[in-house]
Amino acid sequence: EVQVVQSGPEVKRPGATMKISCKFSGYTFTDYFIHWVRQAPGKGLQWMGQIDPDEDREVVFEERFQGRLTLNADMSEDTVYMEMTSLTPEDTATYYCAVGGATLMDPFEIRGQGTMVTVSS
Amino acid sequence: HSALTQPASVSGSPGQAITISCTGTSSDVGGFESVAWFQQHPGTAPQVIIYDVSKRPSGVSHRFSGSKSGNTASLTISGLQTEDESDYYCVSYTTSSTWVFGGGTKLTVL
Repeated sequence: EVQVVQSGPEVKRPGATMKISCKFSGYTFTDYFIHWVRQAPGKGLQWMGQIDPDEDREVVFEERFQGRLTLNADMSEDTVYMEMTSLTPEDTATYYCAVGGATLMDPFEIRGQGTMVTVSS
Repeated sequence: HSALTQPASVSGSPGQAITISCTGTSSDVGGFESVAWFQQHPGTAPQVIIYDVSKRPSGVSHRFSGSKSGNTASLTISGLQTEDESDYYCVSYTTSSTWVFGGGTKLTVL
C-alpha cells in the first residue's frame, strides 16, 4: 500500500522561504510522478506542479509559480521536496503531495495528510 | 489556464440524483480524457472518486459516475445519501502539460 508522510506545520514571515517534504513508501518511488496541490483556508484546490522523481527529474510548474517554486527528489530517501521563495500571506495554505502515474497526463491521487504553512508577520 | 467553471453549490434530497458540471475549453477538458473528480469532506484531504472522465477507483460507490461532452465534464451522483454532502472538485490536464482545478461545488443533501 502506498503511504506518504508529509513534514510538519510551519510558520513563516513574509519574504521568507518554505521547504516541505513528502516521504513515500509501499511502491517503487521512481515509477510515478509526484504532484503538489495547495488549499488556502476556506478556498478551493490549486495545482502547483509535478516532478518525475526518476533520474531525469522532469518538472512542470503552474505558470504563476514559475521563478519561485523548486521541486526536488532524493531517490536515496524516497522523498520529494518543495521549496517556495518570497512568501506572502496569500501563500498561507495546506500543501498536499499526490501520487500520479507514469506520464504527465496520468491522474493523481492525494496521499499525504497535508502540511499547513502559515505566512504571517 | 483559467480555473474550470463549476456551480458554487447544488442540492438534492436523499434518493435523488444530481449532476455537477465542470466547464473548460478545448485546451483542457475538451482536449483530453484526463479529467478527474475529487470529494472533500471538511477537515480531510481530497479523495479521487472519478478519473479518466468516467473510471471509478476501487472502493468508490457505483452511485458516482462521470461523463464528458465537448468542453464540459459532469459528475452524477445517484441515490443521494446524507454522507454525500461534501465539496466536489473537477481537475483536467491541459495543453500546457499542467493540470487545472475547478472552483469547487458544495453539495447539500436536504
